[in-house]
Formats: sequence, structure tokens, C-alpha cells
Amino acid sequence: EAGVTQSPTHLIKTRGQQATLRCSPISGHTSVYWYQQALGLGLQFLLWYDEGEERNRGNFPPRFSGRQFPNYSSELNVNALELEDSALYLCASSYRGGRGRAQHFGDGTRLSIL
Amino acid sequence: DAKTTQPPSMDCAEGRAANLPCNHSTISGNEYVYWYRQIHSQGPQYIIHGLKNNETNEMASLIITEDRKSSTLILPHATLRDTAVYYCIVRVDSGNTPLVFGKGTRLSVIA
Repeated sequence: EAGVTQSPTHLIKTRGQQATLRCSPISGHTSVYWYQQALGLGLQFLLWYDEGEERNRGNFPPRFSGRQFPNYSSELNVNALELEDSALYLCASSYRGGRGRAQHFGDGTRLSIL
Repeated sequence: DAKTTQPPSMDCAEGRAANLPCNHSTISGNEYVYWYRQIHSQGPQYIIHGLKNNETNEMASLIITEDRKSSTLILPHATLRDTAVYYCIVRVDSGNTPLVFGKGTRLSVIA
């Protein structure tokens, strides 16, 4: 069974640009979660999507947004990039609602802002 | 903030059992205990989770105390590939609660 896949592996942008990160969940999983792991700050929850809807959001500004497609894959968009957005962005998936079920992570997209 | 307390680091000899403790004294009745690990430059890997009873899978065993205020993750025969940061997380059994990661325990397996 294929795990969670994320693309691209690395992404280099400059301040003010926009970045799009992609995630394909494990087959059968309908929930997708996005996390940010910045140096020295640990893993921080960004967004949760289930059945195409945004269900929960972490303490991040509106320039962090995303969507989930009918095939349950997801995009994370970051607008007006700032230097502090440099981080590893991780996607995780789980069965619907995640009740008592684990989230499984991809290996992330490393976003570097110059 | 994370609702768990873990030692910042531990060492373990290769081939020996690694016992990683976690305190979660404010855990609620409907919160599960999850364990993940993160090997350098990779995404977190799910290890095991439990509610009340002890659990075992092919990777590890999870021992939860009767009062559920603490737990121990046991890697029965640690190898060098088990060197990683291990995270203990408590999470309500509801879909809209994200995983809240603390600083975890950095386990170093030594040859």
C-alpha cells in the first residue's frame, strides 16, 4: 500500500511569491492534515480537510490556505511568502473523522524562502 | 501546549530494550495515547496508540498505567535505525482535534 506522497520534495521561493504544495493521501483515507515544522518551533497544526471541506484551522494567518479535491488529494497554498515561512511542511492522512485512528505522514516539502 | 512530559534525551545500547516514559497526568477519559517517531529529515512515523489497555504491534509495546496518568513505550530490541525523536501525544477521540506535538525524547541507540 502506497503511503502519503507529497510534492515537490524541495521548493525555493523568494519573499512575496506564492507557493503551492501537494499531497496525496493513503488510499481510502478521506481526511488530510497539514502541519508546519519550522526550525526550533516543532510541529504546528495548520489545516484539516475532510470530504472536501475545511474542518479545522490552526493559529496561522489567512495567507495559508488550501483545498481538497474530489479524489481526496490536497493542496496547501501560501501567499505573500515571508522569510519565517521557511519550514518543512508535512501532510498526514487518516480515515474519516480520525476516530481512534492514526494519522500517517508523508516526508514533507521543504520550503525555503530567500 | 502539549499535555505530555517526556525526558529530552535517552541512550540505549543496541540490542537492549528501550523504555521511553511519558507523563500525561491531566489526561481525560476519552483521550488516546499516541506515539510517533521522527527520524532526521523524514516525516513522523506512527508507532502505536492505546486508550486503557496495553497494546503491542510489530514495532513496539505500549504500557499504560491503571490510572492512565503515565505510559511507557517499549522497543524490545533497539537497533541503530531506531535512533529518532519519539513523541508521546494525547488526543481526544474526535476528528477535529489535531495532533499536538511537544519536544519529544531524542533516543540515541549506541552500538
